[in-house]
Amino acid sequence: GENVEQHPSTLSVQEGDSAVIKCTYSDSASNYFPWYKQELGKGPQLIIDIRSNVGEKKDQRIAVTLNKTAKHFSLHITETQPEDSAVYFCAASSDYKLSFGAGTTVTVRA
Amino acid sequence: EADIYQTPRYLVIGTGKKITLECSQTMGHDKMYWYQQDPGMELHLIHYSYGVNSTEKGDLSSESTVSRIRTEHFPLTLESARPSHTSQYLCASSDTWATEAFFGQGTRLTVV
Repeated sequence: GENVEQHPSTLSVQEGDSAVIKCTYSDSASNYFPWYKQELGKGPQLIIDIRSNVGEKKDQRIAVTLNKTAKHFSLHITETQPEDSAVYFCAASSDYKLSFGAGTTVTVRA
Repeated sequence: EADIYQTPRYLVIGTGKKITLECSQTMGHDKMYWYQQDPGMELHLIHYSYGVNSTEKGDLSSESTVSRIRTEHFPLTLESARPSHTSQYLCASSDTWATEAFFGQGTRLTVV
């Protein structure tokens, strides 16, 4: 089955700086790579996703890159703000399920 | 805002009790899922459904069972709760495979 590894497990950044989270996956058949943000007391919510036929996608301050050859994908958050503090999960999907990484707790320091 | 609802939000129950965690979605999604989220925050798939009358076990072995009699409803049942079942349970749904999954707010279960 799919195995997704996510690093780092915690990340502390100064407000205004960038944050980068990296994930690797094992199943070359995976073709859908979403990123979820989970705030305290809430369920995860999709923030951006990318499919295997695209190398990069951007949505305002958030961008995701995908390297299919190396089987890794990354989330980039620029100009971080206090409301970006949350747990972020990467995931990979090839068919019926999403396999999640272990999560990254991001803290944005004011 | 996702139209997927879980009840109860919090539940404290004694060992040996039977419990049912409710999950409902109003989006007409065929695919539904139950995830268990441990204290380290990692999400583990325990059950999923292709549609009405279909249920499958996920990656993480679970003593819970699920049913899918109606498209919008995907309840999870524990026949005899144990302290090892203490966790957060998240329900999700999606239109198809490999598309956005919408999550409920979760049920935090504590078995004493």
